[in-house]
Amino acid sequence: DGGITQSPKYLFRKEGQNVTLSCEQNLNHDAMYWYRQDPGQGLRLIYYSQIVNDFQKGDIAEGYSVSREKKESFPLTVTSAQKNPTAFYLCASTTYNEQFFGPGTRLTVL
Amino acid sequence: QKEVEQNSGPLSVPEGAIASLNCTYSDRGSQSFFWYRQYSGKSPELIMSIYSNGDKEDGRFTAQLNKASQYVSLLIRDSQPSDSATYLCAVSASGGSYIPTFGRGTSLIVHP
Repeated sequence: DGGITQSPKYLFRKEGQNVTLSCEQNLNHDAMYWYRQDPGQGLRLIYYSQIVNDFQKGDIAEGYSVSREKKESFPLTVTSAQKNPTAFYLCASTTYNEQFFGPGTRLTVL
Repeated sequence: QKEVEQNSGPLSVPEGAIASLNCTYSDRGSQSFFWYRQYSGKSPELIMSIYSNGDKEDGRFTAQLNKASQYVSLLIRDSQPSDSATYLCAVSASGGSYIPTFGRGTSLIVHP
């Protein structure tokens, strides 16, 4: 059953902690993306990767880091430098110009 | 700066009516247009893609594109309460990196 999985579904972070959000896809898509969504806001691009071992910053990359060591995986680390990380994080992948999303991770800072 | 504008709503329609959702975009080089449905607390789901001027129909959904007016719309016929969601419009240019620009979405409420 092909798709995009994200884990965990809910994540709680204390001030000053780094946390890593997982994103895996078995769709054989080359391009993967991370978005952040805040209430009443559109999707804002954090990072994207079009091929393994290569990635580019999006509009709001500060305080985030990513890696793309495997085609299937694109984890996102929210560092302590991100001052307002509470949001809904969405991972996506693309084929033939159509973008598909994982179920999302809701991150809350305590 | 590429912009995609949508009325935030909420748009309220009675069950069985036609819901009309609209989107305008600023980049004349845009070639690909998408509508996503997002239920509260869930991730966006792609429901329609349109690439050329005119209408594209899929079941109860019709996407309409007018590149000259930089306008794309989504019509939902025979609206059902289960259609109540936020609808996101996304637009991208052709070629190169596929980086869509999303609107903020229109909230649709279908009341019985």
